[in-house]
Amino acid sequence: DAGVTQSPTHLIKTRGQQVTLRCSPISGHKSVSWYQQVLGQGPQFIFQYYEKEERGRGNFPDRFSARQFPNYSSELNVNALLLGDSALYLCASSLAWGNTEAFFGQGTRLTVV
Amino acid sequence: AQTVTQSQPEMSVQEAETVTLSCTYDTSESDYYLFWYKQPPSRQMILVIRQEAYKQQNATENRFSVNFQKAAKSFSLKISDSQLGDAAMYFCAYRSPTEYAGNTPLVFGKGTRLSVIA
Repeated sequence: DAGVTQSPTHLIKTRGQQVTLRCSPISGHKSVSWYQQVLGQGPQFIFQYYEKEERGRGNFPDRFSARQFPNYSSELNVNALLLGDSALYLCASSLAWGNTEAFFGQGTRLTVV
Repeated sequence: AQTVTQSQPEMSVQEAETVTLSCTYDTSESDYYLFWYKQPPSRQMILVIRQEAYKQQNATENRFSVNFQKAAKSFSLKISDSQLGDAAMYFCAYRSPTEYAGNTPLVFGKGTRLSVIA
């Protein structure tokens, strides 16, 4: 079975632009979470979705938004990019909301110049 | 809010030797889950081991074991018979149980970079 897949793997954007990152969870997993990992730090929680509804949000500005589709895949959108948004964005899937086992994708490396 | 602290930014170990990575956490909850994740250069977070706070027995997974001290809020990872493939960033993480929170995100420490010397 395929694991969590994220696309693209790398991305370079200019300040002020908008970006969309994509995540496909493991087959059968209904919950998707997004994390931001700045270089040299641990991942920070951004969003959690379950059954297409937002179930949790971390301490991130409104420039960050996300959604989950009927097939449980998810998109993370970031508007008005800042240099500080440069990071590795990780997607994790799990079977159900609150389930303790989270499986991660390989991430999208976003560089804002 | 819960916090996780990893006080060792970098550690090194000789191949075949044993190394212990430290982690402390702060919480007012009595029940929770603790994890160690490995992040190799491929960037993918891989679950190494997990511990439920209500279980007194320390978790073990092959060469990996933990020393869980609930009263001290300490959760260290011991790697025995270290191998070159163990070289990676290691993150300690905390998660509240479902009934305590509207969402249950993982709270990560800053990580420890482990080097394995041949």
